[in-house]
Amino acid sequence: QKEVEQNSGPLSVPEGAIASLNCTYSDRGSQSFFWYRQYSGKSPELIMFIYSNGDKEDGRFTAQLNKASQYVSLLIRDSQPSDSATYLCAVILRTGANSKLTFGKGITLSVRP
Amino acid sequence: SAVISQKPSRDICQRGTSLTIQCQVDSQVTMMFWYRQQPGQSLTLIATANQGSEATYESGFVIDKFPISRPNLTFSTLTVSNMSPEDSSIYLCSGKPPGTANTEAFFGQGTRLTVV
Repeated sequence: QKEVEQNSGPLSVPEGAIASLNCTYSDRGSQSFFWYRQYSGKSPELIMFIYSNGDKEDGRFTAQLNKASQYVSLLIRDSQPSDSATYLCAVILRTGANSKLTFGKGITLSVRP
Repeated sequence: SAVISQKPSRDICQRGTSLTIQCQVDSQVTMMFWYRQQPGQSLTLIATANQGSEATYESGFVIDKFPISRPNLTFSTLTVSNMSPEDSSIYLCSGKPPGTANTEAFFGQGTRLTVV
């Protein structure tokens, strides 16, 4: 099992719909979870982070974390064509002085006008 | 958030040569990392750049191929040595600001390398 898995995708939704992106992780001791957005040819840009179980909302974005089930998801409400990008889930698998991000392979989202 | 400047933004290199990529952060960061992103793939960590000491390499990456320097808290370089076409990729540096170990990383703009 890969450490961080994003198996679904590519994902296509109509403009205005809710896009749901899912990610699972293997290390039950993981503490920190991040969603990055990467436009084609650009570097990743942090859009959300979550540390505690439950939901965290920021504008049209909601991150959801369920540590018992070891998954983290990202919901994008009222999807816009400008949301079309690859979304990378990243996890810090262990806390500590040398903690480092491990990335999933990403999900490509396309929002149809 | 920290601003990370990376250069060159892109380069086309002959096989057998070496390229050094520079990464400059506008504020001190506790940790700096170097990633590789091959076409259509996610980010793979090459190494953690340690200030004033040898970098910590991930499995599959070695110092002779990817020497890294970090002379201070705001600057690091990655050299891709004796390049082959398989090294064609995007190379990204990232930094983590001071604070808890759980903080997120910010990325430079990336270096798109093509080896011919």
